[in-house]
Amino acid sequence: EAEVAQSPRYKITEKSQAVAFWCDPISGHATLYWYRQILGQGPELLVQFQDESVVDDSQLPKDRFSAERLKGVDSTLKIQPAELGDSAMYLCASSLAFSGGAQNEQFFGPGTRLTVL
Amino acid sequence: RKEVEQDPGPFNVPEGATVAFNCTYSNSASQSFFWYRQDCRKEPKLLMSVYSSGNEDGRFTAQLNRASQYISLLIRDSKLSDSATYLCVVNGRSYIPTFGRGTSLIVHP
Repeated sequence: EAEVAQSPRYKITEKSQAVAFWCDPISGHATLYWYRQILGQGPELLVQFQDESVVDDSQLPKDRFSAERLKGVDSTLKIQPAELGDSAMYLCASSLAFSGGAQNEQFFGPGTRLTVL
Repeated sequence: RKEVEQDPGPFNVPEGATVAFNCTYSNSASQSFFWYRQDCRKEPKLLMSVYSSGNEDGRFTAQLNRASQYISLLIRDSKLSDSATYLCVVNGRSYIPTFGRGTSLIVHP
């Protein structure tokens, strides 16, 4: 069964350091999403890609966060510098497309749990 | 008002009970709707899509009420293994998804 891959699974860093997360979506999925999830809350969309183009990044803190999907396949999310409040689970998901119906169904990777000390 | 709202619970029910969750949304132009299940410290997994005509999958039934702007999830004959957090997702303009905060369900013997 095809899966979304993410690495690393866990990351501990000190504040002001740079961190990067990697995501490889299910093959053939054009749409890729990065979410941040704080314990007890639902996932919050940070950025949505359609192929290599950004569809929405309105909730991405652009002063410190960046995301790219250069060839329209895998993607990297970077935080520089990390702050204490960035401690959370970072989830990547993919879907066939972002039109209606089943093409919207998202499949999630296992996530990267970030702890900033 | 938040875009997508859910009662966080927890809903504490005995095995075999029927339980229902609602999820309200504020954007009347929302395009598509889903329910996800999330176990503790795991990633969300798709439970079911919500169609205008309703959708049933075994013990689970999802419905959409566009007039009142909410979706519902009904679980019949609850099992211990149904204990989890149930997240609703509403896709709005340009199919950009918004998650609710989730409803916690605890099924006890």
